[in-house]
Amino acid sequence: TQLLEQSPQFLSIQEGENLTVYCNSSSVFSSLQWYRQEPGEGPVLLVTVVTGGEVKKLKRLTFQFGDARKDSSLHITAAQPGDTGLYLCAGAGTNFGNEKLTFGTGTRLTIIP
Amino acid sequence: KAGVTQTPRYLIKTRGQQVTLSCSPISGHRSVSWYQQTPGQGLQFLFEYFSETQRNKGNFPGRFSGRQFSNSRSEMNVSTLELGDSALYLCASSFQGASGYTFGSGTRLTVV
Repeated sequence: TQLLEQSPQFLSIQEGENLTVYCNSSSVFSSLQWYRQEPGEGPVLLVTVVTGGEVKKLKRLTFQFGDARKDSSLHITAAQPGDTGLYLCAGAGTNFGNEKLTFGTGTRLTIIP
Repeated sequence: KAGVTQTPRYLIKTRGQQVTLSCSPISGHRSVSWYQQTPGQGLQFLFEYFSETQRNKGNFPGRFSGRQFSNSRSEMNVSTLELGDSALYLCASSFQGASGYTFGSGTRLTVV
């Protein structure tokens, strides 16, 4: 069974601070996806990383895929209240036709104005 | 273009009843997946359909079933509802799953 552990589970910081969320597994994934979910809505895809060691930047968000494609991190610079939400990492299976997502345990982020 | 549409948004059912949820994927997406989200278990994979065939299945009892139609629309059915089935049920569609999914807003099912 593939498991994805996210840390921290909860994070509350002041506006303007930096933070990093981690997503770790003992399994290899073909891709690692990050989503953000608002209350009462479905997750929204932020980024997909595919290559081991890949780094992607989305404005103030930086995503990194581990060299072995087992772990990932999300770094937010100068956090803003609009960044508040549930952040989920999700790994896609390595076999064609087995692309179901295994979701991480989630990180609930609160940015205090 | 239109997103993933799930209906209904909210549903209240009684224990023992059955329920059918509907999902219309983004046009051109042939892969449709269903997930159950609860506070205690997080997001758990139910099943995935691709071109009307169930391609993957999660670890849920047989009371949970689904199907996909030729136009890629999908339905999931839960029979003999239990209190523990109360959850947000999410549908997601993708052209190619490994590149990312688009989720609907979900159906909030409450079993009383």
